[in-house]
Amino acid sequence: DAKTTQPTSMDCAEGRAANLPCNHSTISGNEYVYWYRQIHSQGPQYIIHGLKNNETNEMASLIITEDRKSSTLILPHATLRDTAVYYCINNAGNMLTFGGGTRLMVKP
Amino acid sequence: DGGITQSPKYLFRKEGQNVTLSCEQNLNHDAMYWYRQDPGQGLRLIYYSQIVNDFQKGDIAEGYSVSREKKESFPLTVTSAQKNPTAFYLCASRRLAGPGGEQYFGPGTRLTVT
Repeated sequence: DAKTTQPTSMDCAEGRAANLPCNHSTISGNEYVYWYRQIHSQGPQYIIHGLKNNETNEMASLIITEDRKSSTLILPHATLRDTAVYYCINNAGNMLTFGGGTRLMVKP
Repeated sequence: DGGITQSPKYLFRKEGQNVTLSCEQNLNHDAMYWYRQDPGQGLRLIYYSQIVNDFQKGDIAEGYSVSREKKESFPLTVTSAQKNPTAFYLCASRRLAGPGGEQYFGPGTRLTVT
């Protein structure tokens, strides 16, 4: 079973920031938080990952709470091409366990 | 181009036939994975391999088999014992450099068995 909880779906206006929350209250000390997204009928795409510090790359920012029990993925200026299912996963080794993810719909 | 290739993109088979899905990577990654995805669902792990000639079962290995004769290749065979083989199959690879290594996914093969 997936160890994370995400809202089933979210909407975001084009050009606005999309903030996708994730609860991972059972995360252990050596587990990273990974975010992937999957556009319809394609393979998942890696977005970002972090352990305890906030992270930023060219795609997104990842904010992890101090207790590490939750995190937020931020797409600073969402575009229509960001419409996808976003998966939050915590993992310490080989196996990624994918839950249902959040279906983000970016609207014009 | 570096990456993971899966072929074919669409595959159709008759019930009772075994079918092998191809996965190749040129990323020099040690670990490779096979996942299955059903409509509207997340990914489920079938098998994974961390080193040539070794592999481990994932959550739903029954009815599937794999081999890892070369580092670059990790083919998946869907056998006739798999009761519901119609699904989207995804291959991934990862460098084995501690827990921070992300997995990279191929484009997937959509298998339809009738």
